[in-house]
Amino acid sequence: DSGVTQTPKHLITATGQRVTLRCSPRSGDLSVYWYQQSLDQGLQFLIQYYNGEERAKGNILERFSAQQFPDLHSELNLSSLELGDSALYFCASSVGGSDFSYEQYFGPGTRLTVT
Amino acid sequence: AQRVTQPEKLLSVFKGAPVELKCNYSYSGSPELFWYVQYSRQRLQLLLRHISRESIKGFTADLNKGETSFHLKKPFAQEEDSAMYYCALFSGGYNKLIFGAGTRLAVHP
Repeated sequence: DSGVTQTPKHLITATGQRVTLRCSPRSGDLSVYWYQQSLDQGLQFLIQYYNGEERAKGNILERFSAQQFPDLHSELNLSSLELGDSALYFCASSVGGSDFSYEQYFGPGTRLTVT
Repeated sequence: AQRVTQPEKLLSVFKGAPVELKCNYSYSGSPELFWYVQYSRQRLQLLLRHISRESIKGFTADLNKGETSFHLKKPFAQEEDSAMYYCALFSGGYNKLIFGAGTRLAVHP
């Protein structure tokens, strides 16, 4: 167990809907990273937050947004969902955040199914 | 364009055989490269980062800037090495972490 938790484990929703995924980092970690893993797109980095501020951005769609709260947990908001958004979304946390040299600890992921 | 290429989707070897998982990158700046591993039903985890020049679980990876490669090697594969391996590039100038498509390593007894 990496100490990173994510809720919910599974989410089934319809096209056009909006969902929020939650990630709690390991105690003491200041950075949270979000990733998407799908059969079509493979493994994609979405976004990183460090101590509440956006630090790095990947291939995150405009329909998606994220934030990190003062208690350092993070939420990923996905809106106007499309069938192609079905994927495993997982987060990771690390102590630092200036680059990706700090070891990242991954959560178990949230499986999103859009029908 | 920044890109990470892992040419093999599947690499199948016998226990005790040497393993080389290929990774090539395209990046104009000074790259930071990583290898991640995902064992069956487990979470993704960082295996190696090139700046550390470390050996983890017998695996090593050397950055070759001339060939723009960061191949992952192990002299004697073990069955427990069977997993999905991802090569990743951090492009500091663009603040992006880019993954390759991944290579599934299957080590047979």
